[in-house]
Amino acid sequence: NAGVTQTPKFQVLKTGQSMTLQCAQDMNHNSMYWYRQDPGMGLRLIYYSASEGTTDKGEVPNGYNVSRLNKREFSLRLESAAPSQTSVYFCAIIKREYEQYFGPGTRLTVT
Amino acid sequence: QKEVEQNSGPLSVPEGAIASLNCTYSDRVSQSFFWYRQYSGKSPELIMSIYSNGDKEDGRFTAQLNKASQYVSLLIRDSQPSDSATYLCAVYGNNRLAFGKGNQVVVIP
Repeated sequence: NAGVTQTPKFQVLKTGQSMTLQCAQDMNHNSMYWYRQDPGMGLRLIYYSASEGTTDKGEVPNGYNVSRLNKREFSLRLESAAPSQTSVYFCAIIKREYEQYFGPGTRLTVT
Repeated sequence: QKEVEQNSGPLSVPEGAIASLNCTYSDRVSQSFFWYRQYSGKSPELIMSIYSNGDKEDGRFTAQLNKASQYVSLLIRDSQPSDSATYLCAVYGNNRLAFGKGNQVVVIP
């Protein structure tokens, strides 16, 4: 997956629990992204980080927080999980000429 | 109007035929266009990028871009069962990619 790793691969949470999804790249790319993918909705951008120390909201940021503490890692946190956050979450990086490459994904179920 | 639209329903093609996928976009200033392939349960995989009007060929794939009409298309020649997947169109603008909802392609042996 183009040098992008995500942990965990699967997670089941109860409503109200919190968790952090981790994403790391083994290259030196500036831009990193978090998406969620739901049936019939396509890929929707949650947050992105154009460079270390900066983050910006995407289409669907409510209920999420992010952290870009260094160039290599970009984490996504759910403070109080809700069933509506059941989804597949993908982290992505941009290489040359805006080509975006995705990690393997985290499948999250909130009961 | 959605930013990126892929309106066709699931596409079934016989093995060896040409599969044709279309995508329209709303932002006239977009300059970078991409096609991704996504197998069930996997992450999207970049298969084509195109930046200028005209055709771009890569193996059995051809991407076509018409900025005046704001559409991008993808042709898959000599379709193989391994091409059965969902194909996502994406357009870069405002520091992010906007994705269409995808088209499922089923290649029938």
